[in-house]
Amino acid sequence: EAGVTQSPTHLIKTRGQQATLRCSPISGHTSVYWYQQALGLGLQFLLWYDEGEERNRGNFPPRFSGRQFPNYSSELNVNALELEDSALYLCATPGPRTGRLDEDTQYFGPGTRLTVL
Amino acid sequence: GQQLNQSPQSMFIQEGEDVSMNCTSSSIFNTWLWYKQDPGEGPVLLIALYKAGELTSNGRLTAQFGITRKDSFLNISASIPSDVGIYFCAGQPSTDSWGKLQFGAGTQVVVTP
Repeated sequence: EAGVTQSPTHLIKTRGQQATLRCSPISGHTSVYWYQQALGLGLQFLLWYDEGEERNRGNFPPRFSGRQFPNYSSELNVNALELEDSALYLCATPGPRTGRLDEDTQYFGPGTRLTVL
Repeated sequence: GQQLNQSPQSMFIQEGEDVSMNCTSSSIFNTWLWYKQDPGEGPVLLIALYKAGELTSNGRLTAQFGITRKDSFLNISASIPSDVGIYFCAGQPSTDSWGKLQFGAGTQVVVTP
């Protein structure tokens, strides 16, 4: 079973530009989570998509948006880039169905390293 | 922002030694997860805990879900060089809607031969 995939691996932009990051979940899973990991910091929850809809959102400005496609892949868009948006952006999907009520395990892709100059 | 306190921030240990780290929270968590992240890669799930008091092992790793549901610890026994990396705790707070994990700031582990 293929894991979570993300593209591109690296992305370099300048201030004010827009960035688009892509994620494909584990086959058969409908949920996609996006996290931001700035240098030296832990992961900050950005967005959660499930069945094509935004289900939850972290404390980030509206410049951060996304969407989920019918095949459950997802895009994260960051508009009007700022220097502090430089970070590793990680995508995750839930783990295998185990029958547990709290299926909060999340499996991560390799990330996209966004650098804003 | 961060609501989990993870300690220590970093550890420098010799090969063969045991490693212990923990996370605490001011609020109750429904789930505790432990991840390891190598440079340039996404976090890899090590252990998942779902019930208060639960003690789970994965090879040389052992983790426990605290009885109060506000803390968790991870132990690594007989460390080896490939244990190097950043270890993160994560959890699902009972007060947050499903799907929104909170992460600790990480523990950097360095293993010297």
